[in-house]
Amino acid sequence: EDQVTQSPEALRLQEGESSSLNCSYTVSGLRGLFWYRQDPGKGPEFLFTLYSAGEEKEKERLKATLTKKESFLHITAPKPEDSATYLCAVQATGSSNTGKLIFGQGTTLQVKP
Amino acid sequence: GAGVSQSPSNKVTEKGKDVELRCDPISGHTALYWYRQSLGQGLEFLIYFQGNSAPDKSGLPSDRFSAERTGGSVSTLTIQRTQQEDSAVYLCASSRVDGLYEQYFGPGTRLTVT
Repeated sequence: EDQVTQSPEALRLQEGESSSLNCSYTVSGLRGLFWYRQDPGKGPEFLFTLYSAGEEKEKERLKATLTKKESFLHITAPKPEDSATYLCAVQATGSSNTGKLIFGQGTTLQVKP
Repeated sequence: GAGVSQSPSNKVTEKGKDVELRCDPISGHTALYWYRQSLGQGLEFLIYFQGNSAPDKSGLPSDRFSAERTGGSVSTLTIQRTQQEDSAVYLCASSRVDGLYEQYFGPGTRLTVT
């Protein structure tokens, strides 16, 4: 069964304190891995897509990496405005998989000034 | 440009009533998805539409749930005889082509069944 597990569930950082969020996945075949940011009361906001092991993408203080079994979202020198829930999702290959996303439970990040 | 829009933003209904939730995808996006986000649960897939192909309904939790997409654009998710366990945020997403591109989400409809 395709599955996504994120850790930790919650993370508290001081402003400027870098850290990483983990996303472990089990999927028959990976079509793509997605990172989203979700603020309270809003829909998920797209951040990154990664397609193959070794791929990396960056956006401001965020950097996403991918291996054959997991992905990391590195946050460098975070600011309070980076506080949000970060969601990881995978798309599996195969004719029965229509591009639907399989989500992890998310990591809730709080950055204190 | 305009993003995915959903209405209503909030809906409170009594147990046993029917509700309709609306999604307006990004113009030009051919794939449309419905997901549900419950407290303590992650986002779960409900249904998928792509062009004129038959929808993938594999995620619908019961036959009380149905959805349609008219003219390849606007979609409506209908829940009949609502139950308290249906209380959740219902999110709609669209993408340019199924699976090959990122999905963009709307703000969601928060459904509360009393």
